[in-house]
Amino acid sequence: AQTVTQSQPEMSVQEAETVTLSCTYDTSESDYYLFWYKQPPSRQMILVIRQEAYKQQNATENRFSVNFQKAAKSFSLKISDSQLGDAAMYFCAYRSGKKTSYDKVIFGPGTSLSVIP
Amino acid sequence: DAGITQSPRYKITETGRQVTLMCHQTWSHSYMFWYRQDLGHGLRLIYYSAAADITDKGEVPDGYVVSRSKTENFPLTLESATRSQTSVYFCASSDVRSYGYTFGSGTRLTVV
Repeated sequence: AQTVTQSQPEMSVQEAETVTLSCTYDTSESDYYLFWYKQPPSRQMILVIRQEAYKQQNATENRFSVNFQKAAKSFSLKISDSQLGDAAMYFCAYRSGKKTSYDKVIFGPGTSLSVIP
Repeated sequence: DAGITQSPRYKITETGRQVTLMCHQTWSHSYMFWYRQDLGHGLRLIYYSAAADITDKGEVPDGYVVSRSKTENFPLTLESATRSQTSVYFCASSDVRSYGYTFGSGTRLTVV
C-alpha cells in the first residue's frame, strides 16, 4: 500500500522569505500523480500544485514550486516570497495512475505553516 | 450554484444517535469520496463510490454507512455516533479524467 509522510508537523517562515516543506512517499508503482493541497483556517481544501510522475520537469505555479526526486520518492514544496495568506495547513498527497485504483488520493498528515510578519 | 455542497457545516449530536451528513455535486462526476480529518492523521478515506449504486470501503469504514442512489448525492450516515467519530468530514468528487479532487467545505461534527 502507498503511504505519504510529512516529517515536519509545524514550520514557520518570515514574510517575504522562502520556505520548503518536505514530503516523502512510498510506492511500487511507476505511474502516479503527486499533489500539494493548502487548507487555510476557512477549512477549504485548495489544490496548490500537482506533478505527473512521468514528467522530469518540476511543476511551478507562481510562487510555488516543487522539487520532485522520483528515485528518492521525495516531493518537496517551495514557497517563495512568503505572504501572510500562505499561513495554512499543507497536505502532500498521492494518487495512483492505475484506473483500477478508483482514483483514490492518499494524504500525508500535514504541515502547519505559520508566516511571521 | 455549481460545485460540491456539504451540509450541515456544523453539527453537535449525542452518543448513540444516528446522524447523516449530506453531500451534493453538480458536475456529474463519477467518483465521490468521504474523508475524515483528524489532527496528526491527515485525511483518511471512509468510503468511496465509482458510480451510482457502486460503493466500497476505504481505510476507516467502521461505524459508517453510505448510499448513492443518484450520481449527484452521496450521504454519509453514522448509525450510532460515538465520541471517536468527532471529526471534520470532507466530501470530494473527481472526474475519471481529472488529476485531483474537488472538495466540499467540510462538516465539523462533535459527538458529546
